[in-house]
Amino acid sequence: DSGVTQTPKHLITATGQRVTLRCSPRSGDLSVYWYQQSLDQGLQFLIQYYNGEERAKGNILERFSAQQFPDLHSELNLSSLELGDSALYFCASSVEGMSGYTFGSGTRLTVV
Amino acid sequence: DQQVKQNSPSLSVQEGRISILNCDYTNSMFDYFLWYKKYPAEGPTFLISISSIKDKNEDGRFTVFLNKSAKHLSLHIVPSQPGDSAVYFCAASDQNQGGKLIFGQGTELSVKP
Repeated sequence: DSGVTQTPKHLITATGQRVTLRCSPRSGDLSVYWYQQSLDQGLQFLIQYYNGEERAKGNILERFSAQQFPDLHSELNLSSLELGDSALYFCASSVEGMSGYTFGSGTRLTVV
Repeated sequence: DQQVKQNSPSLSVQEGRISILNCDYTNSMFDYFLWYKKYPAEGPTFLISISSIKDKNEDGRFTVFLNKSAKHLSLHIVPSQPGDSAVYFCAASDQNQGGKLIFGQGTELSVKP
């Protein structure tokens, strides 16, 4: 157990629907990062939050949004889902800086 | 534009021999580099890192080499063990851009007994 908890582990939904992925960071970590891993692709950075505020944004679609709550857990909202959104979505957390993130085990999203 | 590239999708090595995984990058602003290891159904696990002020960092059986002029880094695993079989991701960051990491596509290492 890495200490970063992601729920649910698996999600199957239909095109056009909306889903929410949840991440609880490791205790003491203030930064949360979201990554997407599509088939045969590396991990693509989506967005970073630090202590409740958006810190950096990557190639995140407008249909996607995220937030970090006062208790530091984070949610990634994906709406108007398309088949191409099927992927593994990873959350990671860190205290600060580049000593190496701790990743959760991911949420596998399948859009049918 | 793929700023971090791992050109070998897979690598097969005999147990006890050296595994060398390679990674190239294009962004000269990258100043911190990491390797992650990933088993199926698990998230990536941090393995080893190197700052751009160094050219080598060693941790047990794992050594990372950085060649800034060639924009190339490599991970050496000696000796390789069957438990090292996993997907290895190279990642890079510009520390002035916060914690964002740019990952390569990964190399699947298979260590055969």
